[in-house]
Amino acid sequence: EPEVTQTPSHQVTQMGQEVILRCVPISNHLYFYWYRQILGQKVEFLVSFYNNEISEKSEIFDDQFSVERPDGSNFTLKIRSTKLEDSAMYFCASSDTAVHNTFFGPGTRLTVL
Amino acid sequence: GNSVTQMEGPVTLSEEAFLTINCTYTATGYPSLFWYVQYPGEGLQLLLKATKADDKGSNKGFEATYRKETTSFHLEKGSVQVSDSAVYFCALNSGGSYIPTFGRGTSLIVHP
Repeated sequence: EPEVTQTPSHQVTQMGQEVILRCVPISNHLYFYWYRQILGQKVEFLVSFYNNEISEKSEIFDDQFSVERPDGSNFTLKIRSTKLEDSAMYFCASSDTAVHNTFFGPGTRLTVL
Repeated sequence: GNSVTQMEGPVTLSEEAFLTINCTYTATGYPSLFWYVQYPGEGLQLLLKATKADDKGSNKGFEATYRKETTSFHLEKGSVQVSDSAVYFCALNSGGSYIPTFGRGTSLIVHP
């Protein structure tokens, strides 16, 4: 069964450093998403991406965040200058159409020290 | 705006016990409702869904009924197994957006 993969599974970084979280969506999917979950809190939507551009983003997704699809397979989330409060589990997801059939990856746990 | 409220966890049960995880929501328009499950070390998986009032979603022995009058979508299973131990998320989408709004998740621990 096809699946969304994410790397690394755990990333530890120092405050102020840049991090790039990587995702490989399911190959024929067209919509890509990033969500995050701060420990013990709800899963929060960050951004959706379609046709090589951001289609929707939340208020969390400020100028420190960016997304990119650098080639035909990867989808990345960059945090320019990490803050302590960026520590969370980051989930990538993809879907084949806008109708809800979304598959999530296993997540990357980001720890900012 | 949209929001989802789930019961606090963890929920701890013995094998073969009856499970209920409560979920209530507020939403604009006519939301679609979902339950997702996250097994240890894995991503979120869609467990079941219901797209209109009085619909019942079911999968793997789990059920949830879309109750518009009580704005609820409680998850139930008649007899849980150790392998059901996971975190369960209630979610909805509405207002023309297909991006789901999630609850906090409820951890279920099933003991043999």
